[in-house]
Amino acid sequence: DAGITQSPRYKITETGRQVTLMCHQTWSHSYMFWYRQDLGHGLRLIYYSAAADITDKGEVPDGYVVSRSKTENFPLTLESATRSQTSVYFCASNGGSINEQFFGPGTRLTVL
Amino acid sequence: AQSVTQLDSQVPVFEEAPVELRCNYSSSVSVYLFWYVQYPNQGLQLLLKYLSGSTLVESINGFEAEFNKSQTSFHLRKPSVHISDTAEYFCAVSRGSNYKLTFGKGTLLTVNP
Repeated sequence: DAGITQSPRYKITETGRQVTLMCHQTWSHSYMFWYRQDLGHGLRLIYYSAAADITDKGEVPDGYVVSRSKTENFPLTLESATRSQTSVYFCASNGGSINEQFFGPGTRLTVL
Repeated sequence: AQSVTQLDSQVPVFEEAPVELRCNYSSSVSVYLFWYVQYPNQGLQLLLKYLSGSTLVESINGFEAEFNKSQTSFHLRKPSVHISDTAEYFCAVSRGSNYKLTFGKGTLLTVNP
């Protein structure tokens, strides 16, 4: 399917477990982003990537790891999940112009 | 650093009434401004954007926003809302150099019959 997809859409895990959220886009966009959405905080940038093998921290990177070995994929890993990481996670991409970011449908993560 | 303030966290209105969702930003450099809409259980979609040129920008579904540089504002307006406009609206700003967006905390617009 064309566009930007995220998997899984819903995930329940336990404190201390490793979790990887997947993001895939079919447009060959250079820029990709991970946000978390929490009530009262809006969307906050976790990490972003300007191209394959180029990543940088956003506003709230602690506890998260990213990689970008291929242009189309940008996985987000929680190495040891904590309850404070319960959130809705959105992936987005941008083709490199001053234009809109395209958002995925989100992953709702619950850490028990 | 830039920041975005959405002055109202919730705005309840009746159908066919006018609405204004307020957004102010702070930045020491030129910025690009966006409004995104999020319908329940969905991702964000671009509603409209200001990049340059005319300070009044419009969306295809009747929303408009005006860039006011002196007041550092980008308020979103619609003269007559519909039930289907019920959603959360996010204002965002970008400096453009790295395409990162800084979002406001969102305004939940609830349109009642």
